[in-house]
Amino acid sequence: QSVLTQPPSASGTPGQRVTISCSGSSSDIGRNYVLWYQQLPGRAPKLLIYNNHQRPSGVPDRFSASKSGTSASLAISGLRSEDESIYYCTAWDGSLSTWVFGGGTELTVL
Amino acid sequence: QVQLVQSGSELKKPGASVKVSCKASGYMFTNFAINWVRQAPGQGLEWMGWINTDTGKPTYAQGFTGRLVFSLDTSVTTAYLQITSLKAEDTAVYYCVRDGFKDCSRTSCFDYWGQGALVTVSS
Repeated sequence: QSVLTQPPSASGTPGQRVTISCSGSSSDIGRNYVLWYQQLPGRAPKLLIYNNHQRPSGVPDRFSASKSGTSASLAISGLRSEDESIYYCTAWDGSLSTWVFGGGTELTVL
Repeated sequence: QVQLVQSGSELKKPGASVKVSCKASGYMFTNFAINWVRQAPGQGLEWMGWINTDTGKPTYAQGFTGRLVFSLDTSVTTAYLQITSLKAEDTAVYYCVRDGFKDCSRTSCFDYWGQGALVTVSS
């Protein structure tokens, strides 16, 4: 069972905006920054968001993220078929001294 | 360009050991820590720990202490993960991951990942 809670699935149609939530606690998201990763089938994860809302170079601005209290969310606007993937959130847990992950959200573009 | 290239798939019997390598290129190896993350088949991601590539000091995640060894050979810019006393539940893809701290506004971020090494533990 994952420490961070994500919905197992999400879906949207091309061009739509979807959001994926990530819920944690005061020892992880509540106290530390959140990162988001995208994992295509059979591939290694790719960094999408770091430091709660910042995008590495090369990540389209269609991807945005925010954090409030012990929860975070990832938003994808202008949905494209190539966005079909599994999305993971992660944060450092100061009580466990470990990086904790969400269970992943599988995004389907209908 | 930054690359992390890992060794190939391994098939091991329970109780055996395995050593996975991670060859880094395209950046100053000792400036960025290396983390290890694993993913069991069809499952999510699990952080195993990290190694300071400047000092060689390893830090292991709780639950792994005693069976893992992180090591380096800085002369060939390579990090290693050794797992001893393998169990069936260690079957997973093992990733080495760079912590791009200096490139992520001085916050930890796993910015470059190896392609993964599948370790299968089966009798």
